[in-house]
Amino acid sequence: NAGVTQTPKFRILKIGQSMTLQCTQDMNHNYMYWYRQDPGMGLKLIYYSVGAGITDKGEVPNGYNVSRSTTEDFPLRLELAAPSQTSVYFCASREFTVNTEAFFGQGTRLTVV
Amino acid sequence: GENVEQHPSTLSVQEGDSAVIKCTYSDSASNYFPWYKQELGKGPQLIIDIRSNVGEKKDQRIAVTLNKTAKHFSLHITETQPEDSAVYFCAAPPGGSYIPTFGRGTSLIVHP
Repeated sequence: NAGVTQTPKFRILKIGQSMTLQCTQDMNHNYMYWYRQDPGMGLKLIYYSVGAGITDKGEVPNGYNVSRSTTEDFPLRLELAAPSQTSVYFCASREFTVNTEAFFGQGTRLTVV
Repeated sequence: GENVEQHPSTLSVQEGDSAVIKCTYSDSASNYFPWYKQELGKGPQLIIDIRSNVGEKKDQRIAVTLNKTAKHFSLHITETQPEDSAVYFCAAPPGGSYIPTFGRGTSLIVHP
């Protein structure tokens, strides 16, 4: 059982470049989330989705975009990379029932130089 | 929205000691309180959770206690071992919400 899979694990981008962080889950979960984790700052929600075709902004959406064309996939797009986007990014998913755990991917460490 | 405060931010203990991490939350409608452990280079993983119809839950060396009146819950780790060293996050989704609100995390260091 793969759970939540993120690719790539590491990436270095130059300022102004764009990239897509991939996230896929095989648990048929409705809810999916993207978080960024900065040192000592916990997890900040970037975007989330409650199902295919539905996405919404979280706490820190500026500079990012998402799409949810299928239940399994929830890619995160950075259009014009900036040094402030240097962070570790986590994708998570959970099932429809409200009080259940979230399952996280292994993370993508992104450095913008 | 929900506000979750977590303390301490860093906790250093000797192997065999106990460790306690506390979280407070603001939304009185919250009724699910998970704790996640994040090992170095990995994503957070659930280690224990508690729902508002119970006050305490244990799983071997870890336990979680909940005080709904005071709106706080705590993670207790007894007989700590070096492999307990990690970052621990609490979460308290607002009542009926599907968006978990996380605390800032506690870095636990267990010295052999």
